[in-house]
Amino acid sequence: QVQLQESGPRLVKPSQTLSLTCNVSGGSIRSGSNYWVWIRQPAGQGLEWLGRIYTSGSGSAIYSPSLQGRLSLSIDTSQNHFSLTLKSVTAADSAVYFCARVAAGYCSGGACYSPSFFDSWGPGTLVTVSS
Amino acid sequence: EIVLTQSPGTLSVSPGERATLSCRASQSVSSSYLAWYQQKPGQAPRLLLYGASNRASGIPDRFSGSGSGTDFTLTISRLEPEDFAVYYCQQYGSSPARFIFGPGTKVEIK
Repeated sequence: QVQLQESGPRLVKPSQTLSLTCNVSGGSIRSGSNYWVWIRQPAGQGLEWLGRIYTSGSGSAIYSPSLQGRLSLSIDTSQNHFSLTLKSVTAADSAVYFCARVAAGYCSGGACYSPSFFDSWGPGTLVTVSS
Repeated sequence: EIVLTQSPGTLSVSPGERATLSCRASQSVSSSYLAWYQQKPGQAPRLLLYGASNRASGIPDRFSGSGSGTDFTLTISRLEPEDFAVYYCQQYGSSPARFIFGPGTKVEIK
């Protein structure tokens, strides 16, 4: 089972850029569905999906509409890690940030389904936006 | 855009009792793309069920799921002390590709 670990600064100033990296160990980043995601959770609140990146095709990514334009994901398969960059942060971006693996698609009842859920998670890293 | 609503917000249950958690979608979704997670304080979420009713690896059979269309249910048949946690449903939509979480249900000890 792969293990994930987020790393990056714990404190970021407003208007600056937040950068986090998720290191994948115990297996290849080309595992599961080859899709990897970032999810965040503000203190005392629920989970918010931020974006998804793929290991192939120059790391094609999709983003939550709420962060489109500020968020960029990248992947380095040679280093077995992927990264998040969030520009122009505000206090509203303070949260625990999780990286996770999208599980491979599954088959059931004669039909097969696209990758759609998360089977491995990092422990999360708390990021605070404050001056 | 699809919105997931979970109810109740908090469920107070005694150990050994049955817990029934609801996840409702604002429009019909495929049960094949509905998952449930458990999250304990200070921890990452853990996958419980996918495809609405398929248990993930290592998940005890006291956890079960059902539903279709807009209404989905997670049932914990006999609550163990380690089951007190927050539970989230999550839906995947493919056009465009999106992952949506419900707001969560907290299961607390009565």
